[in-house]
Amino acid sequence: GAVVSQHPSWVICKSGTSVKIECRSLDFQATTMFWYRQFPKQSLMLMATSNEGSKATYEQGVEKDKFLINHASLTLSTLTVTSAHPEDSSFYICSATGTGGHTIYFGEGSWLTVV
Amino acid sequence: QKEVEQNSGPLSVPEGAIASLNCTYSDRVSQSFFWYRQYSGKSPELIMSIYSNGDKEDGRFTAQLNKASQYVSLLIRDSQPSDSATYLCAVNPGGGNKLTFGTGTQLKVEL
Repeated sequence: GAVVSQHPSWVICKSGTSVKIECRSLDFQATTMFWYRQFPKQSLMLMATSNEGSKATYEQGVEKDKFLINHASLTLSTLTVTSAHPEDSSFYICSATGTGGHTIYFGEGSWLTVV
Repeated sequence: QKEVEQNSGPLSVPEGAIASLNCTYSDRVSQSFFWYRQYSGKSPELIMSIYSNGDKEDGRFTAQLNKASQYVSLLIRDSQPSDSATYLCAVNPGGGNKLTFGTGTQLKVEL
């Protein structure tokens, strides 16, 4: 199956700093990428949808100025958590789908801990 | 009503038994349905996708879809301890690319 890679797998940052998470599709062109957040024992919550070359579409309640998403190429999307706070600590997961594809492939996820 | 509902479990089955996982959804125009397996601390991995009413079999897994009842299920035959995980039902409403997930059912396969 298709491969989607996330980096870093885990990151610890200080409160108030920003952290960037990368999501890459390794063997297909990802026209659409999705960013999810998952708190312990809860389901995946979609944060935003990004199409290559376009501004991301954020779900209700997600602050677009805090969670900056860039999808500059067909193989790379980035999520930057700005001015991180401890409550932003979570498991962040990206997924991607290609042209005309119904199947959505997930990255390995990135654990963010804000101290 | 939640868009995608699953019993959170845990569902415990003995090794070798059939595990039955259920999911209901609220959006009648949903077109695509997926089952993902998620181990603790890991990202979800796709198990099955189903788009048409009826059964779809892949190895030990069978997905069943009933659009009239807005119901999709996953059967796991000959359950193994390695099947112990949380199983997430996901629905792709309206033909778009967004997935809406249920909260997941925790499955425990006991020796």
